[in-house]
Amino acid sequence: DTGVSQNPRHKITKRGQNVTFRCDPISEHNRLYWYRQTLGQGPEFLTYFQNEAQLEKSRLLSDRFSAERPKGSFSTLEIQRTEQGDSAMYLCASSEAGPETQYFGPGTRLLVL
Amino acid sequence: QKEVEQDPGPLSVPEGAIVSLNCTYSNSAFQYFMWYRQYSRKGPELLMYTYSSGNKEDGRFTAQVDKSSKYISLFIRDSQPSDSATYLCAINSGGSNYKLTFGKGTLLTVNP
Repeated sequence: DTGVSQNPRHKITKRGQNVTFRCDPISEHNRLYWYRQTLGQGPEFLTYFQNEAQLEKSRLLSDRFSAERPKGSFSTLEIQRTEQGDSAMYLCASSEAGPETQYFGPGTRLLVL
Repeated sequence: QKEVEQDPGPLSVPEGAIVSLNCTYSNSAFQYFMWYRQYSRKGPELLMYTYSSGNKEDGRFTAQVDKSSKYISLFIRDSQPSDSATYLCAINSGGSNYKLTFGKGTLLTVNP
């Protein structure tokens, strides 16, 4: 399967703990995006990479959140000192060309107790 | 006013019906219009995209964009139970802006 993959698929953590998610984009795609989706809502943009450069961050991405894409391949999203409000589906997408061709992974579902 | 408005439904139709899903948007700068399908607890799957105004057809699916009214539609002909999912519209302004702005999604159920 050459689609976008995300790990883990599910994560349960206690408030205050740190968590890290990984995204592996489609191999030839140089653009990578992170979104967050809560129940009953559409995905909301968090951040975007072109190769290894993080080009845009949403104001939703507080200082507890950090994303990296070393070497322009896979990406990680870390949440420090998790809060119950961080419970959501975290989605990764990648694209080769323009914004109209973003392909999403299956998501990582986070539950903060 | 939200940038993209989408009626969350739910929408329930019998098998074989024509389904119409719609979104409105507020920013006339938007150039790219996408429709995604999302099954429960899965990631969104890109169905179709259109650039600027006009229609685009792909099998049973037709996407329509009316930029003068800031209105986008997705029509599903001969709907099937396997079409039951949440349908999300997404828009983008193009240029150097790559983020997608999504509607809330419409939950569709096609009853056999």
